Amino acid sequence: SAVISQKPSRDICQRGTSLTIQCQVDSQVTMMFWYRQQPGQSLTLIATANQGSEATYESGFVIDKFPISRPNLTFSTLTVSNMSPEDSSIYLCSVSPPGTNAFFGQGTRLTVV
Amino acid sequence: QKEVEQDPGPLSVPEGAIVSLNCTYSNSAFQYFMWYRQYSRKGPELLMYTYSSGNKEDGRFTAQVDKSSKYISLFIRDSQPSDSATYLCAARDNNAGNMLTFGGGTRLMVKP
Repeated sequence: SAVISQKPSRDICQRGTSLTIQCQVDSQVTMMFWYRQQPGQSLTLIATANQGSEATYESGFVIDKFPISRPNLTFSTLTVSNMSPEDSSIYLCSVSPPGTNAFFGQGTRLTVV
Repeated sequence: QKEVEQDPGPLSVPEGAIVSLNCTYSNSAFQYFMWYRQYSRKGPELLMYTYSSGNKEDGRFTAQVDKSSKYISLFIRDSQPSDSATYLCAARDNNAGNMLTFGGGTRLMVKP
């Protein structure tokens, strides 16, 4: 299993500003995943972050809006840039160590006003 | 068409009832199937997983996969109010990395 610490757990931000979400894992993992969960919706994958290379973004998500860092095998950050109310959502990081299932952080509940 | 489809509910049942939660999927390459439970304001937590077709039982929970019909089920026996949550099914093609494809989630309410 893997234990994931994600912070902040929630934040209320002004439109036009940026928020960086941190994700710390208690073991080394090759890939980390960032998801968005809009109110009442399921999880949508934003991007996959590999250590030492640029993140791979899913359709509809771009690096300028959601820059990701992956400085080592236990840590990643996701920044939500130039926020608008439409970015209000829960953001989740996840890891899936080889041979095991996917584990999630507790999520960051973001409200943009 | 989404690769994994799930009835959003809400599904409301009395305490003690048997609950059946279901998903269908379209990608034949999916081999690994999972059920996650998500309480309000929390991240998803893994409940059960199965590999290929068959049943898997864990306490009051039974996960079932029928690959011939591309159908995934989760049964909850003797449901409790504490089972009230959103249940997400997910599938993975192990030959395509570790990315999961999620259903939309079913909100379950168990009334005392």
